[in-house]
Amino acid sequence: DAGVIQSPRHEVTEMGQEVTLRCKPISGHNSLFWYRQTMMRGLELLIYFNNNVPIDDSGMPEDRFSAKMPNASFSTLKIQPSEPRDSAVYFCASSLSGSYGELFFGEGSRLTVL
Amino acid sequence: QQPVQSPQAVILREGEDAVINCSSSKALYSVHWYRQKHGEAPVFLMILLKGGEQKGHEKISASFNEKKQQSSLYLTASQLSYSGTYFCGTVASGAGSYQLTFGKGTKLSVIP
Repeated sequence: DAGVIQSPRHEVTEMGQEVTLRCKPISGHNSLFWYRQTMMRGLELLIYFNNNVPIDDSGMPEDRFSAKMPNASFSTLKIQPSEPRDSAVYFCASSLSGSYGELFFGEGSRLTVL
Repeated sequence: QQPVQSPQAVILREGEDAVINCSSSKALYSVHWYRQKHGEAPVFLMILLKGGEQKGHEKISASFNEKKQQSSLYLTASQLSYSGTYFCGTVASGAGSYQLTFGKGTKLSVIP
């Protein structure tokens, strides 16, 4: 079976542009996480969805960030407008039930904002 | 609050052993361990639940001391394939099941 699929793998954009990152979780998983990884802060939880419903978005850094999960097989993380400090690797992960079990991470989307 | 990992980095020769520690200031429900190779996604190693259990996976095992809110990851007879960054993640007691907070990682390099 395919794992968690993220796109794009790499994105280079200019400050002020809109960025949309996409994620397809593993079929049958009801939990979806968006994490951001930087050298300074490590892996930070941005938002968590359960059964397509956002449960906790307290990790979303600013109103410039938004996330949606319109159905069980697709989620997006949008940054508008983007800033250089948003440069990071963004990971999507899915699981069968929250963090009670294994999180399956996608390969990540490396974002560079110039 | 992020768990604290130590050491931040360690270099081993093949066959040597290593211990990576993870500590939290909060009472913990569970501790998770992941390994991430450069440029790749984190990969699950194991979960330990409160109860002080110890788990093993071939030559990689871990313990969880809930009273001290600490966990340790033990790598024995290290292999080149063990190289990577190891992250512990913690879920605090009473927290939401999704609130897995990761430490900053321990970079392990195994050399021939």
